[in-house]
Amino acid sequence: QSVLTQTPSVSGARGQRVTISCTGSRSNIGAGYDVHWYQQLPGTAPKLVIYGNTDRPSGVPDRFSGSKSGTSASLAITGLQVEDEAEYYCQSYDNILSGWLFGGGTKVTVL
Amino acid sequence: QVQLVQSGAELKTPGASVKVSCKATGYTFDSKSIHWVRQAPGQRLEWVGWIHGGNGDTKYSHKFQGRVTIARDTSATTSYLELSSLRSEDTAFYYCARAAGTGPFDSWGQGTLVTVSS
Repeated sequence: QSVLTQTPSVSGARGQRVTISCTGSRSNIGAGYDVHWYQQLPGTAPKLVIYGNTDRPSGVPDRFSGSKSGTSASLAITGLQVEDEAEYYCQSYDNILSGWLFGGGTKVTVL
Repeated sequence: QVQLVQSGAELKTPGASVKVSCKATGYTFDSKSIHWVRQAPGQRLEWVGWIHGGNGDTKYSHKFQGRVTIARDTSATTSYLELSSLRSEDTAFYYCARAAGTGPFDSWGQGTLVTVSS
């Protein structure tokens, strides 16, 4: 089935490390397509924070990192900050749908 | 700097059509593709379709096939999304986003709220 699955929520204290997972299938992540990650603050448009599985756009803090293995990918935030509290979405291309998929989103809460 | 500025909020009745615009500045318009993504209240992002930067070809999500048209005016550096036969489930924020080919969506518009209600 062409879907990207994310854990609905994760939380951590300021300064801690949190990890967000994104599980796909052989028609998307497992087919070798890149995974990208977006941060969406309440009431705003999404913002690209990781592209090409592991790369950070200019201006994104280096506490954000990405990885990919098999049919899954992960976004890690090391040294969690209050301003990181947001919804995070993974994205990949799917060759069955012939289009782009987004995960269901993960709400990151800073305790 | 790159900017995508979208048209304002729309209120439509069921069965009507809506057209949303996305004005691009700060880069060579036809060097990048424009995607359209929507987000219903409290829901995930959903890809609607795209228009290729180089040749203007379009591709749509199967879900919207037959109801959606994406176009562009290169002289106005503007892309348009038109959605017809609107129903209440189409109530959402509609975003345009820029991408290089099949790459990541690296710049986004501010979003346009389309409300479908009788």
